[in-house]
Amino acid sequence: AQRVTQPEKLLSVFKGAPVELKCNYSYSGSPELFWYVQYSRQRLQLLLRHISRESIKGFTADLNKGETSFHLKKPFAQEEDSAMYYCALINAGGTSYGKLTFGQGTILTVHP
Amino acid sequence: DAGITQSPRYKITETGRQVTLMCHQTWSHSYMFWYRQDLGHGLRLIYYSAAADITDKGEVPDGYVVSRSKTENFPLTLESATRSQTSVYFCASRRGRGSVWSEAFFGQGTRLTVV
Repeated sequence: AQRVTQPEKLLSVFKGAPVELKCNYSYSGSPELFWYVQYSRQRLQLLLRHISRESIKGFTADLNKGETSFHLKKPFAQEEDSAMYYCALINAGGTSYGKLTFGQGTILTVHP
Repeated sequence: DAGITQSPRYKITETGRQVTLMCHQTWSHSYMFWYRQDLGHGLRLIYYSAAADITDKGEVPDGYVVSRSKTENFPLTLESATRSQTSVYFCASRRGRGSVWSEAFFGQGTRLTVV
């Protein structure tokens, strides 16, 4: 069964410090992984997807199949980065094709 | 307006009552999902649907029923509400097969309180 694990429920950093939000997954096939973000009083929205290898708002995430991880990183955190972050995985094969599973979420707080 | 909308936004109901949460999307997305968001558990999948008349269970389906007679609607029914179903419920949709990398779009959420 597919599973996404975010070990940190809360993460606090100071403005300008590097930040890393951890995500580990278990999935038997080739994973499709995403990071979603939920800012205060806003809808959950896509931050980035691993296939694009893009950098959004300074965030990057590298898929490490050996460690089954997809950690989210930003070299210099900003106060506006404070939000709830979710790692997510889509089932790309089998009978549960298209199933979208989320981790437990990490609340990031960036202090001034 | 195009998008995905949930109704109601807030609902208080009594234990044992049946309650239905509505979700409507205007994109004709194939996939639709229902999640509940609880502190410490994150987003847990209740049910999802790959197309009209095709639904499947997620992680926490007990006590919930879904239907999808039309592509654009995906109502979630709590057959006999319990206090443990007090939560914030999110509906989401995304494009279907052949668009595996497409993002999911979320509704604004329904805050349900069972007293």
